[in-house]
Amino acid sequence: NAGVTQTPKFQVLKTGQSMTLQCAQDMNHNSMYWYRQDPGMGLRLIYYSASEGTTDKGEVPNGYNVSRLNKREFSLRLESAAPSQTSVYFCASSAQGGGYGYTFGSGTRLTVV
Amino acid sequence: AQSVTQLGSHVSVSEGALVLLRCNYSSSVPPYLFWYVQYPNQGLQLLLKYTTGATLVKGINGFEAEFKKSETSFHLTKPSAHMSDAAEYFCAVSDYDYKLSFGAGTTVTVRA
Repeated sequence: NAGVTQTPKFQVLKTGQSMTLQCAQDMNHNSMYWYRQDPGMGLRLIYYSASEGTTDKGEVPNGYNVSRLNKREFSLRLESAAPSQTSVYFCASSAQGGGYGYTFGSGTRLTVV
Repeated sequence: AQSVTQLGSHVSVSEGALVLLRCNYSSSVPPYLFWYVQYPNQGLQLLLKYTTGATLVKGINGFEAEFKKSETSFHLTKPSAHMSDAAEYFCAVSDYDYKLSFGAGTTVTVRA
């Protein structure tokens, strides 16, 4: 089925460990996004890529890095995980910016202990 | 910069009753407005969106929303709640850039 695929679905890390969250879309969308979801705070934008070859910081970028590997793939890396990064992470894509709405992946539930 | 305020973090309704979820936004330019629904342990699904044109927008599952520029509001309604409507609902706004800003969400419970 067409859509946004995120891996892994669940992950437990120890403080200081690193990991990369993977995201791929097969809808030929130009723009891709990483959000984190925390109770009572809605979704907050971490990084986004308006088009292949570009990335920009969102609202909460500290502690994260991203790579737009190609048009399909957009990865999120935690270099040194902290308990404050315990969250649910969502990848999304859109055809051409926010006005078209997003298609979301099913999320990665990350716990940092 | 745009922002979204959802009034009420939890709403409880009886099955068959009206569902009303409130959303107010701030934006320096005419906005694009969205409602998303999230079922437990799932991603977000688009319910409906307003970009231009008719201010009353109909979405999936019997939901609709009305864009009121004078009130900077985009409230979501459904005339008759069903048990399957139990979920978390997010209002979101975008201007002409590439980013959506989300409200904090409203959790809907439906009583039998």
